[in-house]
Amino acid sequence: GIQVEQSPPDLILQEGANSTLRCNFSDSVNNLQWFHQNPWGQLINLFYIPSGTKQNGRLSATTVATERYSLLYISSSQTTDSGVYFCAANRDDKIIFGKGTRLHILP
Amino acid sequence: DSGVTQTPKHLITATGQRVTLRCSPRSGDLSVYWYQQSLDQGLQFLIHYYNGEERAKGNILERFSAQQFPDLHSELNLSSLELGDSALYFCASSVGGSSYGYTFGSGTRLTVV
Repeated sequence: GIQVEQSPPDLILQEGANSTLRCNFSDSVNNLQWFHQNPWGQLINLFYIPSGTKQNGRLSATTVATERYSLLYISSSQTTDSGVYFCAANRDDKIIFGKGTRLHILP
Repeated sequence: DSGVTQTPKHLITATGQRVTLRCSPRSGDLSVYWYQQSLDQGLQFLIHYYNGEERAKGNILERFSAQQFPDLHSELNLSSLELGDSALYFCASSVGGSSYGYTFGSGTRLTVV
């Protein structure tokens, strides 16, 4: 089945810094999404992005489907950005998650 | 509020028992996906239903079963519970299958003691 790998596994940054999170997938996918799991465990939709680039405030994402990767950019980090960021790929009626990037923003 | 409703939010039960987790998808969504999130395993896909029919199965144990009812709500049944079944159980819903975005409920935290 499809493999989804995320890097880095952990990231510690000072408030105000920028970061790039990467998601690689092993095969073509129908869909790719980014989620943020907050400290209370809620999974929040960030982007539905099977290809191309999208922006939402300080966050943006780019998926290059032909090269099988997606990037999530977080600019001017805030402490509320802390948590785990997951990418998830859809293929064959299954949604496969990467293991996530744990982001900790220091005040 | 994501529009996907999961009940109960918390559940504590003893080993060997059986529980039922419930998920109501967003209005208009036909697909329901179930996931298990434990500390050491990440988010594991369990099963996907579309309009009442099973579409895909992941790493779902034989002790676990699910179904989607005509009103599109879904139930995940966990039986002969073991300590290792303690986890967050999420459901997600979408309009259709793989090519559509999906939204998660807030999860059910199951503790087996």
